[in-house]
Amino acid sequence: AQTVTQSQPEMSVQEAETVTLSCTYDTSESDYYLFWYKQPPSRQMILVIRQEAYKQQNATENRFSVNFQKAAKSFSLKISDSQLGDAAMYFCAYQYQTGANNLFFGTGTRLTVIP
Amino acid sequence: EAGVAQSPRYKIIEKRQSVAFWCNPISGHATLYWYQQILGQGPKLLIQFQNNGVVDDSQLPKDRFSAERLKGVDSTLKIQPAKLEDSAVYLCASSSYLNGYTDTQYFGPGTRLTVL
Repeated sequence: AQTVTQSQPEMSVQEAETVTLSCTYDTSESDYYLFWYKQPPSRQMILVIRQEAYKQQNATENRFSVNFQKAAKSFSLKISDSQLGDAAMYFCAYQYQTGANNLFFGTGTRLTVIP
Repeated sequence: EAGVAQSPRYKIIEKRQSVAFWCNPISGHATLYWYQQILGQGPKLLIQFQNNGVVDDSQLPKDRFSAERLKGVDSTLKIQPAKLEDSAVYLCASSSYLNGYTDTQYFGPGTRLTVL
């Protein structure tokens, strides 16, 4: 099983400010996918952003962007212009590109947005 | 497009009782996953189906858990008998599958199980 580590159990950010959530992973594969999922208190896991390991360009989705450092096995999420609706648990996840494609999740970071 | 549906949303049972959860994936999604999410942890895979065949059930406690996906669409996950440590949220996810590659997984709202 792959190991995904999120070293920040909790983070907080002022509304409209920027916050970065950290994630590291361990793998011997060269091709794989990385994800950030958001889980609000309602429990529905929602995809935030996806990164293919073969792509050098960092993925972006509106206010969300990643810093993918393949050699360092690091995959951080930056949230710009934070909004109250961004408050949630954020999970970093790893997926093999082929074969068994289940997700390996980190333990999550709880993000609080302060008005 | 309708998302992944799960029922029930909540279930409370006594230990040693049985319980079943139902999942309806996104239409056309060949791959279906059941994850267990214990409070304070990330989800962990229990079983993965490709159409109606099992791809990976290595983490499924087969002495008490069973799952099936008849006709390659809906799936049910059963626990019999339940233990206190089975208290968790059970998440169903589905994804499309094409040319040997699995696309992004989409999750249902989950079923919160409490075993007393």
